[in-house]
Amino acid sequence: EVVLTQSPGTLSLSPGERATLSCRASQSIKSTYLAWYQQKPGQAPRLLIYAASIRATGIPDRFSGSGSGTEFTLTISRLEPEDFAVYSCQQYDYSPWTFGQGTKVEFK
Amino acid sequence: QVQLVQSGAEVKKPGSSVNVSCKASGVSGGSFSRFTINWVRQAPGQGLEWVGRIIPILDIPNYTQKFQGRVTITADKSTSTAYMELSGLTSDDTAIYYCARLYRTAFDIWGQGTMVTVSS
Repeated sequence: EVVLTQSPGTLSLSPGERATLSCRASQSIKSTYLAWYQQKPGQAPRLLIYAASIRATGIPDRFSGSGSGTEFTLTISRLEPEDFAVYSCQQYDYSPWTFGQGTKVEFK
Repeated sequence: QVQLVQSGAEVKKPGSSVNVSCKASGVSGGSFSRFTINWVRQAPGQGLEWVGRIIPILDIPNYTQKFQGRVTITADKSTSTAYMELSGLTSDDTAIYYCARLYRTAFDIWGQGTMVTVSS
């Protein structure tokens, strides 16, 4: 199965700062099949980005995704207080569909 | 507005089975039939793990190898409800189970989650 490795495990930042999250795949996947989710404690995941770079409905433009092949990135240009959460990447190219272990963005 | 509403929390004994439901609201039965409904679980403090999926109009489920033989995913088009049954429960199955709709190539709508606790 495709293993997605996210780094760093935890990112300690302040509101207004830029967050850069990485997702590395164990084999090349089509960009069409890479998504990012945000999850807050006690809540279900929320789709942020699909097809590596397309924002889902209602997602602010401070969230952006990029990458191809085995390297993908989620960038939050200026952190808002509500952005402190766990972010997970997911691939839907090869079954079984897999998720990364998550990056926690926490208050510094 | 489409929503997925799941059944409530369950506490089960080791070796037993659990059945979790996921009802789509704000959608016609015909539309539900064309969804791909996925099941994803999350153990305490852990990441997300895909369990399997079903497309109601095809009525053909797919499961990840890890759960083959223990999981059964079905769908009732008349009530716009999907079900996941997991048997042979162990403490490792203690997790929140989510249903989620596939939109293009990602999961855009999620249920609220169902906590399944396996304990003697």
